[in-house]
Amino acid sequence: TQLLEQSPQFLSIQEGENLTVYCNSSSVFSSLQWYRQEPGEGPVLLVTVVTGGEVKKLKRLTFQFGDARKDSSLHITAAQPGDTGLYLCAVFSGAGSYQLTFGKGTKLSVIP
Amino acid sequence: KAGVTQTPRYLIKTRGQQVTLSCSPISGHRSVSWYQQTPGQGLQFLFEYFSETQRNKGNFPGRFSGRQFSNSRSEMNVSTLELGDSALYLCASSRNPAGLTYNEQFFGPGTRLTVL
Repeated sequence: TQLLEQSPQFLSIQEGENLTVYCNSSSVFSSLQWYRQEPGEGPVLLVTVVTGGEVKKLKRLTFQFGDARKDSSLHITAAQPGDTGLYLCAVFSGAGSYQLTFGKGTKLSVIP
Repeated sequence: KAGVTQTPRYLIKTRGQQVTLSCSPISGHRSVSWYQQTPGQGLQFLFEYFSETQRNKGNFPGRFSGRQFSNSRSEMNVSTLELGDSALYLCASSRNPAGLTYNEQFFGPGTRLTVL
């Protein structure tokens, strides 16, 4: 059983469209992170959310942490080809919080 | 500031061989973590080192091992390679020690290992 379930698995949209991707779990987390990974590169941290109900904005990206701290969403407004990539949510788990557990990701393609 | 570097970037091995991958963390970062990324399983945690000590280990067989040197550089080794070990191996470094609820990890570009 996956700790973090991400949906959709794949998403292909036209430039200018809006989209939302989800990260869900039955567990409660003290924090949750979103990463973006481009082909040939390692993941890059976009945001960390720590408070239930928290909303963070990063230009056209809006991140929300669920009130119960079990789920999160990422909304992109007016998607651009540069947004193409694999979006991963992750939480720290294991003793001492040294271990990141990732969802399987949403692969986003934005078509010009 | 230089990022995390990993060498080599690409590697082709045959079944039964062993391989050593190297990771140089960002200067000042003392924590180094290793992850395996495959299309089927996604990103999975291998192990984490801090000050030359392994603090946590993922659910991988003993063929996977690692170490960290006094300059924080790290290596991971996979012995008796299997076809299923073909993957992107990612290294991440972090400045923050234990005690925080979250850390920012900086990932390298990875080593693409192909086992034939």
